[in-house]
Amino acid sequence: ELKVEQNPLFLSMQEGKNYTIYCNYSTTSDRLYWYRQDPGKSLESLFVLLSNGAVKQEGRLMASLDTKARLSTLHITAAVHDLSATYFCAPSPQYGNKLVFGAGTILRVKS
Amino acid sequence: DAGVIQSPRHEVTEMGQEVTLRCKPISGHNSLFWYRQTMMRGLELLIYFNNNVPIDDSGMPEDRFSAKMPNASFSTLKIQPSEPRDSAVYFCASSLVGGQGSYEQYFGPGTRLTVT
Repeated sequence: ELKVEQNPLFLSMQEGKNYTIYCNYSTTSDRLYWYRQDPGKSLESLFVLLSNGAVKQEGRLMASLDTKARLSTLHITAAVHDLSATYFCAPSPQYGNKLVFGAGTILRVKS
Repeated sequence: DAGVIQSPRHEVTEMGQEVTLRCKPISGHNSLFWYRQTMMRGLELLIYFNNNVPIDDSGMPEDRFSAKMPNASFSTLKIQPSEPRDSAVYFCASSLVGGQGSYEQYFGPGTRLTVT
């Protein structure tokens, strides 16, 4: 059974700083997704990582996937207040269609 | 595209009543997922369908929960009878799998269910 561990679960950071959120998973997966959720809202897709070594960037966020290490990272560069949200990683079990969500990382960016 | 549509957006009901949540997936998508989100348990997959056929319902909590997908554009999640511990936000998501599909799941706005 695929298990997902995100850390940290809560991250408070100053504007302008850099930080990385880590997503470890327990069994083979060939696809991994990152989602953002604002309070009281639905989940919004951020990145789709489909192969080992995949790197995607959008604005101040960059996501990467290392399938051999079973690790994905979400790097935040020069954080701004608008990035405050909960971020979920979700790998998919190999040959499966479903996603297994991590517990989420609550990010708070302070001015 | 209108995205995934869910109704109602909010539902308040009394314990013991039947509750039906509805979902219209994105046109052309062939997989549909029902999730439940609570503070205590996070985001849980309840059931998912491929081409209108239930594939994995291992997340359905108990017999009080049932889900159907009579056609490619409509699905329901029913709780009968409802209990206070069913209070949660229920999300529906759809995706295109196989072929050129990215398997990316698109989420609806959710239904906030409160059972008193």
